[in-house]
Amino acid sequence: QSVLTQPPSVSGALGQRVTISCTGSGSDIGANHDVNWYRHLPGTAPRVLIYGNSNRPSGVPDRFSGSKSGTSASLAITGLQAEDEADYYCQSYDSNHYVFGSGTKVTVL
Amino acid sequence: EVQLLESGGDLVQPGGSLRLSCSGSGFTFSRSAMSWVRQAPGKGLEWVSGVSADGGGTYYAESVKGRFTVSRDNGKNTLSLQMNSLRAEDTAVYYCAKHLGGALRELLYFGEISFWGQGTLVTVSS
Repeated sequence: QSVLTQPPSVSGALGQRVTISCTGSGSDIGANHDVNWYRHLPGTAPRVLIYGNSNRPSGVPDRFSGSKSGTSASLAITGLQAEDEADYYCQSYDSNHYVFGSGTKVTVL
Repeated sequence: EVQLLESGGDLVQPGGSLRLSCSGSGFTFSRSAMSWVRQAPGKGLEWVSGVSADGGGTYYAESVKGRFTVSRDNGKNTLSLQMNSLRAEDTAVYYCAKHLGGALRELLYFGEISFWGQGTLVTVSS
């Protein structure tokens, strides 16, 4: 099954805003399936940041926001902080499979 | 407090078998759909398999279909993954994952992964 496409890396200075894109197709994101976003620090358990395209679980700061349009989705991080350095993955659904994005490493300059 | 504790990771030869287990606590295990997700060295996350809350619905990635079998014992709050005919490309950290949903058997309705275990390392090498 397909892998959703994300940029390998994005970077930004402390306090800046960065966005991560997630591009799918008509059979996953474009088929009106929800997109979820996870943050993963190597050696630790991943954590959900955004579910159902744009919803934040309790405990996730409102600096994180998600959106979806057509066959793509995006995650925005505003007020970038040092602890935001991590790998970020989008995830959706396609024909009885879950599919993850290729992953984006966020670097705080 | 929700906890997922994986076990069973090991070094195994190509063609061999291994069984992973995941013990869940701090939530109603029998009401949660569960999945296995893996991360190969230097690679991204890959969904491997999912099972509905009642165990009646099982789903697999194409890369493991026919070789891996997911099961659960709701009486023991345990999720398992039987891995046969292992290949070098199966080398990865395997995460046990709890979905938010569980009311419906279809994978589409499992919902997001609301909690992940710490992972267990499987190495396939001669």
